[in-house]
Amino acid sequence: SQQGEEDPQALSIQEGENATMNCSYKTSINNLQWYRQNSGRGLVHLILIRSNEREKHSGRLRVTLDTSKKSSSLLITASRAADTASYFCATAGSNDYKLSFGAGTTVTVRA
Amino acid sequence: GAGVSQTPSNKVTEKGKYVELRCDPISGHTALYWYRQSLGQGLEFLIYFQGNSAPDKSGLPSDRFSAERTGGSVSTLTIQRTQQEDSAVYLCASSPGGPKQFFGPGTRLTVL
Repeated sequence: SQQGEEDPQALSIQEGENATMNCSYKTSINNLQWYRQNSGRGLVHLILIRSNEREKHSGRLRVTLDTSKKSSSLLITASRAADTASYFCATAGSNDYKLSFGAGTTVTVRA
Repeated sequence: GAGVSQTPSNKVTEKGKYVELRCDPISGHTALYWYRQSLGQGLEFLIYFQGNSAPDKSGLPSDRFSAERTGGSVSTLTIQRTQQEDSAVYLCASSPGGPKQFFGPGTRLTVL
């Protein structure tokens, strides 16, 4: 069963705008990761945040984690057409390796 | 360097047939994973290999599914007596041992 749930399911924005998507999960985690998937093929790792961290940045990406609310958000700033993709959050429990994925948020960036 | 590769990229088969999917992980990666992604869905964990340890097969949906990893490198996922509900993209990932996983492009399986 899927641990994470992304919100919204789909997002359409203009190039240059920011995109925010959220992930909620049910059980305690060791870490939470965000992945990007283009055209329904392989996933690319974007960023990992551990349970004892609250915020991480990587380039135009900002991830927050609120373990009390069991939720995370991914912000993409100054979006580009190349950011058009599906974004998945994945959580890992105590064993750290077994990832549980949500159904994803599909982001479309209009030129 | 070379990433994770998977063959074939697409496979169309008939119900009841046997299929074999192959994954070549990144050289030196000790961990290897198989996932299944149905249309519009997230990834479903199937099986995990780590070095010479016994694999975690807890995600395999039925005994028609099996996987092996030879010599700690290449892995094959086999599905016997395929059913239409087996249609999905099968993704392989490898890892050097940490939590970050590196994914292959996937094999799109269609069972007619």
